[in-house]
This record gives sequence, C-alpha cells and structure tokens, in this order.
Amino acid sequence: AAGVIQSPRHLIKEKRETATLKCYPIPRHDTVYWYQQGPGQDPQFLISFYEKMQSDKGSIPDRFSAQQFSDYHSELNMSSLELGDSALYFCASSPRTSGGASTDTQYFGPGTRLTVL
Amino acid sequence: AQSVAQPEDQVNVAEGNPLTVKCTYSVSGNPYLFWYVQYPNRGLQFLLKYITGDNLVKGSYGFEAEFNKSQTSFHLKKPSALVSDSALYFCAVRDPFSGGYNKLIFGAGTRLAVHP
Repeated sequence: AAGVIQSPRHLIKEKRETATLKCYPIPRHDTVYWYQQGPGQDPQFLISFYEKMQSDKGSIPDRFSAQQFSDYHSELNMSSLELGDSALYFCASSPRTSGGASTDTQYFGPGTRLTVL
Repeated sequence: AQSVAQPEDQVNVAEGNPLTVKCTYSVSGNPYLFWYVQYPNRGLQFLLKYITGDNLVKGSYGFEAEFNKSQTSFHLKKPSALVSDSALYFCAVRDPFSGGYNKLIFGAGTRLAVHP
C-alpha cells in the first residue's frame, strides 16, 4: 500500500540558511500534519492543513511557514535556521471520514532528518 | 489541559512472555486514544486506536489495548512478545472538545526491549 512520502530524507544546513521539506500524502488523503521530534523527545505538533487551508496550528516558530497545494502535497519552509531546529520532521496524512477529523487515523511518513551545523 | 503519561521509560520482557506498556491520559472530554510504534530511523507506525465502543481494541501485529475510563488508562498489551517487537512505543491522545482538534498529543515514549 502507498505510504506518505517525504523528501529529502536527510538534510544538512548551516545556521541562518533556509530549508524546504516536502510531503506527499497517501492518495485520497486530504489532510496533512507536520510534527517535529527532537532527539530523545516525543513528536510535537507544528501545523496541519485540510483542503489546502490551514486547519490547526501548534508550536510552530514564526520562522517556519507551510502550505498545502492543489495536489494535496505540502511543503514546510524553514528560514534563519538555528542549531535547535535540528530534529526529525514528520509529515502525516489522514482521510476525511464521516466521523470527522478527530477520529481520523494519522499515517506518518518516514521523516526528514534535519541537521543544522 | 490534555496530556498523556507513559510512566515507564523502558520495559524489558523475555520473548514469549506477555507484555504491557502503560499509558494514562488527562483530557476534558471523551478521549480519542492511539498507539504508535517507532523503529530506529523509521517513521511512526499506527497500531490501534480507541474512539468509542468496546473497551478492548485489537490492532496490528497481535497488539491490543484496553481502555479504562475510571482509571484513565489505555495500556498496550500483547500475549506473547517477539524479539522483533523491540521498539519505541508512543501513546497519543486527541481531545476534540478542547480546541486544536487536529493535533495528537504524544506521551514521552516507552522503549520495549524483548530478550531472547
């Protein structure tokens, strides 16, 4: 079965550089979520999109922005990178069910490991 | 505020023995509860979820979890552990009544080590 695709899988950047992470949801999934997992930590919710509109926002720094495109893929743009941004960034997707978004299962991609030097 | 607690950093089990990974939650309304497993250098894999109905939920790879409202717990169980079950397990909760209904709140994770 098709899974969530994230690219790149690994990314190394210098401080103050920018980075763009891409996420391709499972076919027919219309909701995308972004999470950040620091070393030895649990995943923290950043932001989500439903039908190309931002649906929820978590602890996402102002230096980060994201969007969902007409083909439902999403991009997370990160500027003025800091050492503390080094983490594993997960994208997840879910289908819209009749029960509403709260009951939907989020299916995670393999993650992008960002290292800021 | 909604939260999830996994009281054990690590659980050690002998292969073939039953395993339990504990999870307790705190939400304002009826919780939606999830278990995920993370293998090294891999993403989070969905195991099972509780939304409503039967308190015993069966999931992937022979795992099951029991929802206990009075104890606010959602412990993950498996009757007979395999060495290949060794991984990091996350409990997560969604509280649709406290706003921000899209996000999953994760516990700190429990590392399961199954010994031959």
